[in-house]
Amino acid sequence: NAGVTQTPKFQVLKTGQSMTLQCAQDMNHNSMYWYRQDPGMGLRLIYYSASEGTTDKGEVPNGYNVSRLNKREFSLRLESAAPSQTSVYFCASMRTGTHEQFFGPGTRLTVL
Amino acid sequence: AQSVTQPDIHITVSEGASLELRCNYSYGATPYLFWYVQSPGQGLQLLLKYFSGDTLVQGIKGFEAEFKRSQSSFNLRKPSVHWSDAAEYFCAVGEGGATNKLIFGTGTLLAVQP
Repeated sequence: NAGVTQTPKFQVLKTGQSMTLQCAQDMNHNSMYWYRQDPGMGLRLIYYSASEGTTDKGEVPNGYNVSRLNKREFSLRLESAAPSQTSVYFCASMRTGTHEQFFGPGTRLTVL
Repeated sequence: AQSVTQPDIHITVSEGASLELRCNYSYGATPYLFWYVQSPGQGLQLLLKYFSGDTLVQGIKGFEAEFKRSQSSFNLRKPSVHWSDAAEYFCAVGEGGATNKLIFGTGTLLAVQP
């Protein structure tokens, strides 16, 4: 099993450009999450999806959109990137009832 | 509001010495508590978790943590640190339920001296 995979690993954007971060899990988990990690701030929840077809805002959703394409895949889209969105983005998944989240390796995004 | 505080930003210990990383939480209900470890350039790995029952929980890599409700704390301990334990450690509180959204502390960076 690959667990949680994320693409790309690194990305550099210019202000105003758009891009989609991809996340997939092969553990048949119901819930999926997107976090951002910034120095000195820990991880903060951007969006989550409790099940296929549902998405909800987390703590810092502004400037982002998400799509739960199917049970395996949960993408994060930046429509118009801003320097404040420079961060490391982590995707995670969880099987209902276990309360354990499994994390992907992250995407390091720089917005110039 | 729910929150997690890790008061130590950076800790340095000698290899073989004992370790305690502090975590305090603010949560209205019975918390689900977690410790994660992040090695440089990597994702987060779950070390241990507390949901209920015995307040001393054992995790992977020889780590343990003790839940103290009266102190709203969930400190992580290890009797003897190895050089490979150098990493960043995050405490998190979750609401449980179907989504178990996590609130993370700001992390403690552990350095291990030879």
